Amino acid sequence: EIVMTQSPATLSVSPGQGATLSCRASQSVSSNLAWYQQKPGQAPRLLIYGASTRATGIPARFSGSGSGTEFTLTISSLQSEDFAVYYCQQYNYWYTFGQGTKLEIK
Amino acid sequence: QVQLVESGGGLVKPGGSLRLSCAASGFTFSDYHMSWVRQAPGKGLEWVSYISSRATSADSADSVRGRFTISRDDARQSLYLQMNSLRAEDTAVYYCARGQPRYLGWFDPWGQGTLVTVSS
Repeated sequence: EIVMTQSPATLSVSPGQGATLSCRASQSVSSNLAWYQQKPGQAPRLLIYGASTRATGIPARFSGSGSGTEFTLTISSLQSEDFAVYYCQQYNYWYTFGQGTKLEIK
Repeated sequence: QVQLVESGGGLVKPGGSLRLSCAASGFTFSDYHMSWVRQAPGKGLEWVSYISSRATSADSADSVRGRFTISRDDARQSLYLQMNSLRAEDTAVYYCARGQPRYLGWFDPWGQGTLVTVSS
């Protein structure tokens, strides 16, 4: 099983600032990585697939990068609606999710 | 628009069974791989089961293999999860998620989820 490890577990950032979330795979997943946003009481929403391609309707302030085992989700100029939990997911060999990073208001 | 709507959740005793359904609309259901993903209260996401387009293959996570069975009815545009021998640790919100047409791929969209509670 491919283990996905996200860091940090919690990130406190002020609105208007940027945030960088990390995701590491226990073995290479190539670019077969997605990022999801989940707000309380809601289903996850796809943000990024293929490590760096924004999903339809996702604002340009969200960007993804990386390949192999190291990945990053960057959110520039945080808006109030961006405070949520973010998950990475590999789909190179079946599916596994990271444990999530909670992005909270500082 | 593309929509997935789950149903069938509820309270069940340990050792019991439950069948979840997911009704799909707004896309050609038969073309897409589909999965179930669950989320225990206050926890992260866990992939549960996968079925390929046209049901040519299926698989499940080790935690549920042998107890849960995924199936689909393309004519009814529906996905199912038969859950047997339920345990307390199966308590979770269960989401139906659409994969991609020709490879495993990412999940988009997800249904709103249905809550399964296993308790005596």
